[in-house]
Amino acid sequence: DTAVSQTPKYLVTQMGNDKSIKCEQNLGHDTMYWYKQDSKKFLKIMFSYNNKELIINETVPNRFSPKSPDKAHLNLHINSLELGDSAVYFCASSQAGTPYEQYFGPGTRLTVT
Amino acid sequence: AQTVTQSQPEMSVQEAETVTLSCTYDTSESDYYLFWYKQPPSRQMILVIRQEAYKQQNATENRFSVNFQKAAKSFSLKISDSQLGDAAMYFCAYRINYGQNFVFGPGTRLSVLP
Repeated sequence: DTAVSQTPKYLVTQMGNDKSIKCEQNLGHDTMYWYKQDSKKFLKIMFSYNNKELIINETVPNRFSPKSPDKAHLNLHINSLELGDSAVYFCASSQAGTPYEQYFGPGTRLTVT
Repeated sequence: AQTVTQSQPEMSVQEAETVTLSCTYDTSESDYYLFWYKQPPSRQMILVIRQEAYKQQNATENRFSVNFQKAAKSFSLKISDSQLGDAAMYFCAYRINYGQNFVFGPGTRLSVLP
């Protein structure tokens, strides 16, 4: 059983297009995250949702819009894709009120041409 | 603001030898948690080890152990009997108490030489 899943794992698209990445966790966690990992492998937090409410919203272009239909899902929609959006995007989840780690999805490699 | 620093962008170790990866962090909190994650070429993020700040005893997981120095805000990872499969990016991470924000260091790329 996959704990945190993301689809798709690879996404190649052209500049200006709109795309979505989906994330689902079956761990019963109440908090989900989106990270961007650039070519230098630096992990940058983008968003975090707790029980469907946005709690962390870092400085991210408003072309990026997260959506959490329920606490097990957190999707990322990107409008008007730019070359600089090329990166690996990770979804993660954790349980608030516990000391435990985040669980990560397999990542989605987005390539914008 | 909390920050995590990994001063070694790259490290290498001979197979079967021991290597230590450094991590320092900056916080004014007293209750927090520290983690080491491994990211192999498959890019999956895998938890290696976790340390609770209130515990004086250093955490160990098989060949992996930490040297946690709370006063110095240092959290190094020691890998003993290095194996080829240990080659990966290693990230140090910090979490305040039961908070929802995790702060990651920039990572250290570890190569294991046969």
